[in-house]
Amino acid sequence: SQTIHQWPATLVQPVGSPLSLECTVEGTSNPNLYWYRQAAGRGLQLLFYSVGIGQISSEVPQNLSASRPQDRQFILSSKKLLLSDSGFYLCALEYGPGVADTQYFGPGTRLTVL
Amino acid sequence: KQEVTQIPAALSVPEGENLVLNCSFTDSAIYNLQWFRQDPGKGLTSLLLIQSSQREQTSGRLNASLDKSSGRSTLYIAASQPGDSATYLCAVPSQGGSEKLVFGKGTKLTVNP
Repeated sequence: SQTIHQWPATLVQPVGSPLSLECTVEGTSNPNLYWYRQAAGRGLQLLFYSVGIGQISSEVPQNLSASRPQDRQFILSSKKLLLSDSGFYLCALEYGPGVADTQYFGPGTRLTVL
Repeated sequence: KQEVTQIPAALSVPEGENLVLNCSFTDSAIYNLQWFRQDPGKGLTSLLLIQSSQREQTSGRLNASLDKSSGRSTLYIAASQPGDSATYLCAVPSQGGSEKLVFGKGTKLTVNP
C-alpha cells in the first residue's frame, strides 16, 4: 500500500520569505500527484497536479509553483510568500493514468505566514 | 463549472443515532463520487467511492448512495459513535471522468457520548 510523507509538518514564515514544501510517496510508481490548499472557510482547493516527471498543471494563478523532479517527489515552492498563502497544504496521489479514482492524502503541512 | 455543496455545514447528534449527510453537485455527468473523512489537523481519508453505474456502496456502518440524475449523494452513518466525530467531505471529478476533483466544504459531525 502507498505511503505519503510531507514535511515539514508545521511552518511559520514571514511575509516575503521563500517557501519549499516537500511530498514524497512510497509503495507505488508513476502516480498522479496533487497539491491542495485548505484555508479556513474556503474548502479544499486544487493548486497543482502532475501526471509524470516534469509535467505540472497549474489550476490557480498565484505566486506558488510546483515541480516534480523525480517520480515520487512533488515540491511546492514560492519565491515570496503572501499573507494569503497561509493554510493547510495537502499532497495527494492517485494511481494513474485514467479517469478519476480514489485519492490518498498525506498528513499535511500547516503554513502560517505572518 | 462543477460545484459541490454539502448540507448541513455542521451537525451534532447523541451517540447511537442514525444520521444522513448530504452532498449535491451541479454537473451530473460525473464518472464517480467519493466521500472522505478528515480529523482535525489531519489529512483526508477515503471512505467510499461510488462509480456512476452504482446506486450505493457500503463499508461497515457507512452507506453512500448516488443519484446522478438529480445531482445528489447521501452518506448514511448507522449507530453513530463518538469516534465518528470528524469533518466529512464529498468530491466529484471537475468534468466527466477528469482526474481533478472538486470538493465540497464538508459537514462537521460531532457525536456526543
